[in-house]
Amino acid sequence: AQSVTQPDIHITVSEGASLELRCNYSYGATPYLFWYVQSPGQGLQLLLKYFSGDTLVQGIKGFEAEFKRSQSSFNLRKPSVHWSDAAEYFCAVGARVNTGKLIFGQGTTLQVKP
Amino acid sequence: DVKVTQSSRYLVKRTGEKVFLECVQDMDHENMFWYRQDPGLGLRLIYFSYDVKMKEKGDIPEGYSVSREKKERFSLILESASTNQTSMYLCASSPPLTTIAKNIQYFGAGTRLSVL
Repeated sequence: AQSVTQPDIHITVSEGASLELRCNYSYGATPYLFWYVQSPGQGLQLLLKYFSGDTLVQGIKGFEAEFKRSQSSFNLRKPSVHWSDAAEYFCAVGARVNTGKLIFGQGTTLQVKP
Repeated sequence: DVKVTQSSRYLVKRTGEKVFLECVQDMDHENMFWYRQDPGLGLRLIYFSYDVKMKEKGDIPEGYSVSREKKERFSLILESASTNQTSMYLCASSPPLTTIAKNIQYFGAGTRLSVL
């Protein structure tokens, strides 16, 4: 069955420190891959996406993610975290065939210490 | 910018009430989705629609129905609300299935529903 796993439920980092959020997926083929962010009380906003090509993708707010086919992973990174990055982060996969549906991970809550 | 608007941010209802959650998008998207979000469970798909009057069940459709009479509007209906339907409900829309962008979903701000 298709699934997305975000192993870390909560992560706390100090402001200015680097960040890596993990995402692993189980899928029969290479899916489309996404990271979304949800600030408190808000809907989800797309951070970045991978469709094909360069496996290192850049997103908004200084985030990047790397697709590693051999590890079925799509980890999200940021070199220096800002207090405003505190939010919940969701990894998602979508099928290349025509469904339009996404499968979401459980989410990782990021707390930023001053 | 795509705008997906959910009619209520907070809603409090009684057990057994019929509840309507409304969602409107302004980008002429064919696809619309309803999710519920619960802590530790991520987003779970309730129903989705590929076109007007077309709907398909998602992963957790029990206790819910939907209506899509116009392209821009997708309603989620709780026929008889129960306490276990207390949750955050998120609506999303996406471009046509014939485009690579079909998987890019745009979300509303959510409706936090409490059923007492």
